[in-house]
Amino acid sequence: QVQLQQSGPGLVQPSQTLSLTCAISGDSVSSNSASWNWIRQSPSRGLEWLGRTYYRSKWHNDFAVSLKGRITINPDTSKNQFSLHLNSVTPEDTAVYYCTRSRDGYIDYWGQGTLVTVSS
Amino acid sequence: QSVLTQPPSASGTPGQRVTISCSGITSNIRSNFVYWYQQLPGTAPKLLIYKNNQRPSGVPDRFSGSKSGASASLAISGLRSEDEADYYCAAWDDSLSVWVFGGGTTLTVL
Repeated sequence: QVQLQQSGPGLVQPSQTLSLTCAISGDSVSSNSASWNWIRQSPSRGLEWLGRTYYRSKWHNDFAVSLKGRITINPDTSKNQFSLHLNSVTPEDTAVYYCTRSRDGYIDYWGQGTLVTVSS
Repeated sequence: QSVLTQPPSASGTPGQRVTISCSGITSNIRSNFVYWYQQLPGTAPKLLIYKNNQRPSGVPDRFSGSKSGASASLAISGLRSEDEADYYCAAWDDSLSVWVFGGGTTLTVL
């Protein structure tokens, strides 16, 4: 059974960087058949896919065009986890953030979610 | 504004059958599989239907999915009070190169 455990601050100041980590159990971040995604959910934007990292002989990243330049997703093989960093945040980035796994082409497992509020 | 279109609400009485629609376009639903997620209050979405009409183990056969062209539907038969939740459809979009979601349908069991 795959489990994704999220951690990170629930409050970020405007213009700062939002950072969250997702610890994986029951699978490997280096798996050749899985992808590791970040998705957020807010009343105004609904569910929004942010990006993913995955390993296929080498590491790959894909990001939503709307966030390119502000987002990085990094795997950490030593801790079997991956992280999200979103810089220059504004109140519009306030949302519940989820880490998820994709396998066989679809999102099957979700983390518990982290409410991140951008406010001073 | 979500890329996939769902009705904001649906309702039914216990035992009834309800359907929830999801409308997209060629680059997403017509070209790719559709997935459905159930989100209970205060929890993360849970995979309900994958690849248009497949149920993960543990999902009751009261839940079924279908797809035709650029639209898809989720049907719930034998409605139960514990089915009260938000339901979301999702698909990969080939033009945007992102996962896209519906705006969600809140199901009320009367």
